[in-house]
Amino acid sequence: EDKVVQSPLSLVVHEGDTVTLNCSYEVTNFRSLLWYKQEKKAPTFLFMLTSSGIEKKSGRLSSILDKKELFSILNITATQTGDSAVYLCAVVSGGSNYKLTFGKGTLLTVNP
Amino acid sequence: ETGVTQTPRHLVMGMTNKKSLKCEQHLGHNAMYWYKQSAKKPLELMFVYNFKEQTENNSVPSRFSPECPNSSHLFLHLHTLQPEDSALYLCASSQDQTHRTDTQYFGPGTRLTVL
Repeated sequence: EDKVVQSPLSLVVHEGDTVTLNCSYEVTNFRSLLWYKQEKKAPTFLFMLTSSGIEKKSGRLSSILDKKELFSILNITATQTGDSAVYLCAVVSGGSNYKLTFGKGTLLTVNP
Repeated sequence: ETGVTQTPRHLVMGMTNKKSLKCEQHLGHNAMYWYKQSAKKPLELMFVYNFKEQTENNSVPSRFSPECPNSSHLFLHLHTLQPEDSALYLCASSQDQTHRTDTQYFGPGTRLTVL
């Protein structure tokens, strides 16, 4: 059975802190790993990772994938209150038909 | 075969046409999803239905109109589309959306080309 595990499940930090969110996975026929940010509506796409060791960066957010150790991390530097959200990791796997398995998410709260 | 079927598999339509995409799941699930996948881009969630009720509309233009008559069937009605709407449209289902972490099973997709 495919599994995606995120840690920590929740995290409270102060503005300006740097956070690292973790996502580990066990799937058959891995295709890609996706990071989403979810506030009150549908998830907003952040990154798609398919290759090991290549950092994806967008502003204060960055992410990297390790396909040997089967995990990914999402880093947020200089956090702001607007970064408060649930961060979801999802893994796309499968052959001719996709399967998308989400982790439970990490609830990040950034206090002023 | 994941138990989720989509028809048609390929569709070419003009900008003034009206067409519908159909999705059917045989898994006894209660949540169904429409995603759009454009070339070299990740999946974009469009709509979510949970127990036949639309629970999410991810700011999708009104030229896309979903319909969920029962938990097994989901339609996406298309009208006056634009060429940039050309993409792979994927349907997925999961046990229910209350537990977002449920695994979603995808159909094979409909490859849509808008001329």
